[in-house]
Amino acid sequence: AQSVTQPDIHITVSEGASLELRCNYSYGATPYLFWYVQSPGQGLQLLLKYFSGDTLVQGIKGFEAEFKRSQSSFNLRKPSVHWSDAAEYFCAVGHDNYGQNFVFGPGTRLSVLP
Amino acid sequence: EPEVTQTPSHQVTQMGQEVILRCVPISNHLYFYWYRQILGQKVEFLVSFYNNEISEKSEIFDDQFSVERPDGSNFTLKIRSTKLEDSAMYFCASRSGTSVAGELFFGEGSRLTVL
Repeated sequence: AQSVTQPDIHITVSEGASLELRCNYSYGATPYLFWYVQSPGQGLQLLLKYFSGDTLVQGIKGFEAEFKRSQSSFNLRKPSVHWSDAAEYFCAVGHDNYGQNFVFGPGTRLSVLP
Repeated sequence: EPEVTQTPSHQVTQMGQEVILRCVPISNHLYFYWYRQILGQKVEFLVSFYNNEISEKSEIFDDQFSVERPDGSNFTLKIRSTKLEDSAMYFCASRSGTSVAGELFFGEGSRLTVL
């Protein structure tokens, strides 16, 4: 069964600084990879996804992520963080028809200092 | 832009009571899902639904849970007799049937508090 790890439980960055959130997955083939953001008390918003093709994918809100097969990673990046980016970020892995095969990581909470 | 809508946004109930959480998936979608997130924990799969029947369910989805699509637009999750540990945020999701994968669209969630 596939699994997702997000090594950082909580990250704090200063506004304007760059950001990288780590995600590693375990799955035998190339999975479908996703990053979701959840603001406090809110739902899950899709930031970006990777299915195939170019390994560097662009998302909303200035985020990007790079799929590295050799490292089984799909790290999320942003060159300059805004205070409104403070939220919980979830990496997810899916394949087949999802359901049991759509697995979320434990999440990384991002705090942004003014 | 089409979206998945969920009601209620927050429900407080007494232990042992029945709860129904409602979802309106995106209209041309064919696959429907419920996930839940206990406070501070990861999002977990509950059940998937396709062609008017459950296609897959997790160990969490025991006999106290049921789902149905009563009228072709709503997709409901019923908890027959709530327990304290059912307190969580419940997310509905849907996707189209045009590809094996495709994007899962999530609703904003229904927060259930069991007292």
